[in-house]
Amino acid sequence: GNSVTQMEGPVTLSEEAFLTINCTYTATGYPSLFWYVQYPGEGLQLLLKATKADDKGSNKGFEATYRKETTSFHLEKGSVQVSDSAVYFCALSDRQGAQKLVFGQGTRLTINP
Amino acid sequence: NAGVTQTPKFRVLKTGQSMTLLCAQDMNHEYMYWYRQDPGMGLRLIHYSVGEGTTAKGEVPDGYNVSRLKKQNFLLGLESAAPSQTSVYFCASSYDRGNTEAFFGQGTRLTVV
Repeated sequence: GNSVTQMEGPVTLSEEAFLTINCTYTATGYPSLFWYVQYPGEGLQLLLKATKADDKGSNKGFEATYRKETTSFHLEKGSVQVSDSAVYFCALSDRQGAQKLVFGQGTRLTINP
Repeated sequence: NAGVTQTPKFRVLKTGQSMTLLCAQDMNHEYMYWYRQDPGMGLRLIHYSVGEGTTAKGEVPDGYNVSRLKKQNFLLGLESAAPSQTSVYFCASSYDRGNTEAFFGQGTRLTVV
């Protein structure tokens, strides 16, 4: 079946540091890939997405590229801020029928000033 | 603009009690989902619906029932609560399948003692 594996957290960085959160997936066919973010006390919200190989999703300074050859969708940001502290989830959808998302385990990110 | 609203936000149940979690969306979405979030495991799909009057099982459906009598509402029921059902429950909705964004509610924290 489909699965998503994220780098284990928690991750703690200083403000303005470079961020990478690794995500790899296993899926049949050509899934859509997503990064969702969960701020404290809130539900998940979409951060960015990519729907086909070599697509780059970007939002709020975050980027991720759909790499079919390495089955990866790593999240990057060049200079993190304290407000980026949250839990980040990588997810995929197989695009067949309902959008049943398969999530990674989540990575808790803390940015210190 | 409410989006996806879940009630209640918190609940403590005794083992064997029953309860219903309500999810309401005002975006006229066809698809609705119930997930549970447990530490270190990301979110897992419990049940979902592809339209009014339809329901289907997800990854972890045992011990739960659902109903979608109206397009805007999706109810999750626990007939006889167990400590293993202690979790944070999230409802989500999406307009279409595949690569569209899923919108999440703020979650219901349920503790079964």
